[in-house]
Amino acid sequence: ETGVTQSPTHLIKTRGQQVTLRCSSQSGHNTVSWYQQALGQGPQFIFQYYREEENGRGNFPPRFSGLQFPNYSSELNVNALELDDSALYLCASSRGQGPYEQYFGPGTRLTVT
Amino acid sequence: ELKVEQNPLFLSMQEGKNYTIYCNYSTTSDRLYWYRQDPGKSLESLFVLLSNGAVKQEGRLMASLDTKARLSTLHITAAVHDLSATYFCAVWMGNSGTYKYIFGTGTRLKVLA
Repeated sequence: ETGVTQSPTHLIKTRGQQVTLRCSSQSGHNTVSWYQQALGQGPQFIFQYYREEENGRGNFPPRFSGLQFPNYSSELNVNALELDDSALYLCASSRGQGPYEQYFGPGTRLTVT
Repeated sequence: ELKVEQNPLFLSMQEGKNYTIYCNYSTTSDRLYWYRQDPGKSLESLFVLLSNGAVKQEGRLMASLDTKARLSTLHITAAVHDLSATYFCAVWMGNSGTYKYIFGTGTRLKVLA
């Protein structure tokens, strides 16, 4: 059974640029959630996708957007990067929408300069 | 707005001692999760608590949920150094299309030999 994978591992971008982060869900999982974790803080829920539809969203502006593909992999896109977007971005997959156990990927460390 | 608070934020304890981490949340939910995070790593799921009075145990860790008090506890028995990590609780709320996961502030645990 393949676990949750994310790419890239690390990324450095300049303020104002756009970035795309990728996540492959665990085998058998159809739901992906994305989180932002700033240094020393708890994860902040960005959104959840279930069967290619956004299923819930946290308090993030529209420049944070996502996609889920038919194979249940997912992308997180962030436009007009700001310095405060520097964080660890985590995706988690689960076997259904809502309150199922989540399995987290290793994360992508994004640095905005 | 849903708030999830943990205490203590930092905990330094001797090996062999017992201690409890508390997780309070501010609105109705009967789905609560505990995670462990090692420095520089992703999150590992520890427990999923799905109903009032739920109790789960794994090794030296035991978690419980009181939905009426909006309180969950993570009890550590006879701590060992390997339990040193940051522990997060998280609450799920919402309905289809409006799901949110809210994480607590985290408790950084250090077990001293």
